[in-house]
Amino acid sequence: ETGVTQTPRHLVMGMTNKKSLKCEQHLGHNAMYWYKQSAKKPLELMFVYNFKEQTENNSVPSRFSPECPNSSHLFLHLHTLQPEDSALYLCASSQEGGGWTGELFFGEGSRLTVL
Amino acid sequence: QKEVEQDPGPLSVPEGAIVSLNCTYSNSAFQYFMWYRQYSRKGPELLMYTYSSGNKEDGRFTAQVDKSSKYISLFIRDSQPSDSATYLCAMRTGFQKLVFGTGTRLLVSP
Repeated sequence: ETGVTQTPRHLVMGMTNKKSLKCEQHLGHNAMYWYKQSAKKPLELMFVYNFKEQTENNSVPSRFSPECPNSSHLFLHLHTLQPEDSALYLCASSQEGGGWTGELFFGEGSRLTVL
Repeated sequence: QKEVEQDPGPLSVPEGAIVSLNCTYSNSAFQYFMWYRQYSRKGPELLMYTYSSGNKEDGRFTAQVDKSSKYISLFIRDSQPSDSATYLCAMRTGFQKLVFGTGTRLLVSP
C-alpha cells in the first residue's frame, strides 16, 4: 500500500446508525486531517492531528468523533447523522515543520450518504 | 465575503485550447498559493505551488500570483482531454491551515 488509503469508499447509513471511516497513511507524515467536501462548496477542514494530538476542531458537531491511535491511522466515528452530512469525506496527511509548503496528500475519499 | 472566490464552472474547451483558471482572495496575509487537481472519484493532488508573487512554469502549466490585485491564475497550454478534472486553488498565511476555493470543473473535449 502506498500514499493515503481510506475505507470504505462508499457508505450508506440511516440517521440512527453508528459507523466509522478509516484512514491510513504510508508516508511517514506527522499530521493527519479530515476534510468534508460538498458540491459547490470549498473543502471544509474538520479536524487536525499532529503527532496523534488533536490540534484543531473546526466547530464540528459532536455526532462526528475523531480518533487517532497513532501517527499512521485516523478514524472518524459517525453517529446519529443528518441527511445534510452526506458528502465526500477526505483524509489527508502532511509533514509539518520547517520549510513546509503546505502540501497535503489526500486519500480517495469515503462517499457518505445519510438516508 | 468568502476568503477565496472561485468560479465553479463547468468550463468547456476544445482540445488544444489555452485554459485560464482564476481565484480571487481577500486576505492580504496569504503568502503560499497552490493549485490542486482532482479527478472524478479521486482525492485532490498538488499540481503547482507558488510562494509570494510571480510566475512559475511546469511543462504546460503556468501558475501566476498577483498579490497587488489579490488574484491568482493557472494557465494550461495545449489542453488535453486528460486535463479534464476539477481544479482547486488553495492558499495560506505562514501559520494558518490551507483555505480552499470551491474548485472549477474543466472539461476538455477531443
